[in-house]
Amino acid sequence: NAGVTQTPKFQVLKTGQSMTLQCAQDMNHEYMSWYRQDPGMGLRLIHYSVGAGITDQGEVPNGYNVSRSTTEDFPLRLLSAAPSQTSVYFCASTLEGGRGAVNGYTFGSGTRLTVV
Amino acid sequence: AQSVTQLGSHVSVSEGALVLLRCNYSSSVPPYLFWYVQYPNQGLQLLLKYTTGATLVKGINGFEAEFKKSETSFHLTKPSAHMSDAAEYFCAVSFYGGATNKLIFGTGTLLAVQP
Repeated sequence: NAGVTQTPKFQVLKTGQSMTLQCAQDMNHEYMSWYRQDPGMGLRLIHYSVGAGITDQGEVPNGYNVSRSTTEDFPLRLLSAAPSQTSVYFCASTLEGGRGAVNGYTFGSGTRLTVV
Repeated sequence: AQSVTQLGSHVSVSEGALVLLRCNYSSSVPPYLFWYVQYPNQGLQLLLKYTTGATLVKGINGFEAEFKKSETSFHLTKPSAHMSDAAEYFCAVSFYGGATNKLIFGTGTLLAVQP
């Protein structure tokens, strides 16, 4: 089925560990983004990409790295996990430019991360 | 700068009652407005959107929203609540600028439906 696939769905990390959250889409969307969702704060943009090889920071980028080597994949890396990174992470994609702004985003089902 | 304000982090209604979830936006450019719904432990699903044209837009599951430019509002309504409507609802504004598009969310409203 076409859409945005996120793995894993759940993860528990110890403080200081590293991990990569995977995101893949098969809709040929140029624009991909990562959000974190915390109670009472809505969704906040971490990083985004407008195409392969191009990434930029969002509202809350500290502690996270991204890369975009292909159109389909946009992994999010936590280099040294901290308890403050306990959250639900969503990957989303859309067409680039005005078309994407009009169409809205397609979201993955999320990764629930707990850092202890 | 663009922003979204959702009034009321929690709303509770009785089954069969009117649902009204409030959303106000701030945008320096013509906005595209969205409502997303999130059921427990799931991702976000597009409920409806306003881009151009008719200001009253209809979405899935009997929801609708009206774009009121003069009030900078995009409130979500449903005439008769159903138990299955219990979820969190997010209002969002999208715009295209600086060679890319962005989607900015409100903080969400958790809707509870009482039997």
